[in-house]
Amino acid sequence: AQKITQTQPGMFVQEKEAVTLDCTYDTSDQSYGLFWYKQPSSGEMIFLIYQGSYDEQNATEGRYSLNFQKARKSANLVISASQLGDSAMYFCAMRPSGTYKYIFGTGTRLKVLA
Amino acid sequence: GAGVSQTPSNKVTEKGKYVELRCDPISGHTALYWYRQSLGQGPEFLIYFQGTGAADDSGLPNDRFFAVRPEGSVSTLKIQRTERGDSAVYLCASSLNPRLAGGSTDTQYFGPGTRLTVL
Repeated sequence: AQKITQTQPGMFVQEKEAVTLDCTYDTSDQSYGLFWYKQPSSGEMIFLIYQGSYDEQNATEGRYSLNFQKARKSANLVISASQLGDSAMYFCAMRPSGTYKYIFGTGTRLKVLA
Repeated sequence: GAGVSQTPSNKVTEKGKYVELRCDPISGHTALYWYRQSLGQGPEFLIYFQGTGAADDSGLPNDRFFAVRPEGSVSTLKIQRTERGDSAVYLCASSLNPRLAGGSTDTQYFGPGTRLTVL
């Protein structure tokens, strides 16, 4: 079964430090997309970063980078120089081959401490 | 430009009533998706539209749920005979040009959601 697993229900990080949020996925597909979203308390899902399964380089978007290890089926999100506004729920999602729907993990709640 | 909008932001109804939830996607986005998010969970897929047609409705939980997108833009999710278990946040998303082969145009942009409470 295709599945996303986020094993960290909650994480704390000191402001200005880097933090890694874990995501592993389960699929037998060769072609798939991986996504990270941020969901603040307001509820809106904000797109952060995308990684295609055939992309050879790890994706980066500003302070966000994706540590993609295909053999381990992991797609961890790294946030550098954490800011108080980074406090939110973070969801990892996968779009399997042959379908347009996303499969989401259960999320990790990040709290940035001043 | 404007993002995905959803109305109402909150809806409280009584068990057994009918509700309609509206989604207005990003202009020019051909694909539209509905998801349901229960408390403490990630979003769960309900239905996907490409243009006016429902290309994948495999996530609809039962025949009380129905969605339309008659002109290929705005979509309405309709729930008949609501039950307390339908209480959740209903999220709508749109994407520019999804392809089965994947790619960054797959990226789904979400609206703020409609919080449905069934009493």
